[in-house]
Amino acid sequence: GEDVEQSLFLSVREGDSSVINCTYTDSSSTYLYWYKQEPGAGLQLLTYIFSNMDMKQDQRLTVLLNKKDKHLSLRIADTQTGDSAIYFCAEDGASNTGKLIFGQGTTLQVKP
Amino acid sequence: DVKVTQSSRYLVKRTGEKVFLECVQDMDHENMFWYRQDPGLGLRLIYFSYDVKMKEKGDIPEGYSVSREKKERFSLILESASTNQTSMYLCASSLPSGNNEQFFGPGTRLTVL
Repeated sequence: GEDVEQSLFLSVREGDSSVINCTYTDSSSTYLYWYKQEPGAGLQLLTYIFSNMDMKQDQRLTVLLNKKDKHLSLRIADTQTGDSAIYFCAEDGASNTGKLIFGQGTTLQVKP
Repeated sequence: DVKVTQSSRYLVKRTGEKVFLECVQDMDHENMFWYRQDPGLGLRLIYFSYDVKMKEKGDIPEGYSVSREKKERFSLILESASTNQTSMYLCASSLPSGNNEQFFGPGTRLTVL
């Protein structure tokens, strides 16, 4: 079935780049997403990429998509303490129902 | 500003109680979703609804039911709460077109004693 996998934890120093990785199984996804969850809050869409693109850049964020390897990554440049959060990768799969399949979430810890 | 609200941020219930979690969205979205979030497991879909009075089971529907009598409101019901239903519950809504972006509420932290 459809599955999305992420590592659970990443620790970086303030000012470094962070790279969060995700693998997925459903090659028929139209969109892939990165959501951010700050402590005590719900999820908020950070960015998304259309499946026919291989890169998307938005200020400090760079999303890379390798469809052949079914690999998605999120790079955060100049990571700040305010970037500390849980980051979820998600895909919309093949069902066209609006359902999203989420990964386990990667907790990003930014040390000063 | 788009908004999804959930009736409680924190809830403590006893085993066997009937529990209602309410979610309201003001964006006129057709799709609404209930997830539970547990550490290391991410978000797991309990139920979703793509129209009033319509519902579909998600990946973990056992022990839960839902109600969607009005477009803006989607309720999650625990008929007889159990300790393994202690979790964070997240509601979301989306349009049935476009980029499928889901908008989330702040979550309800439910503890069942």
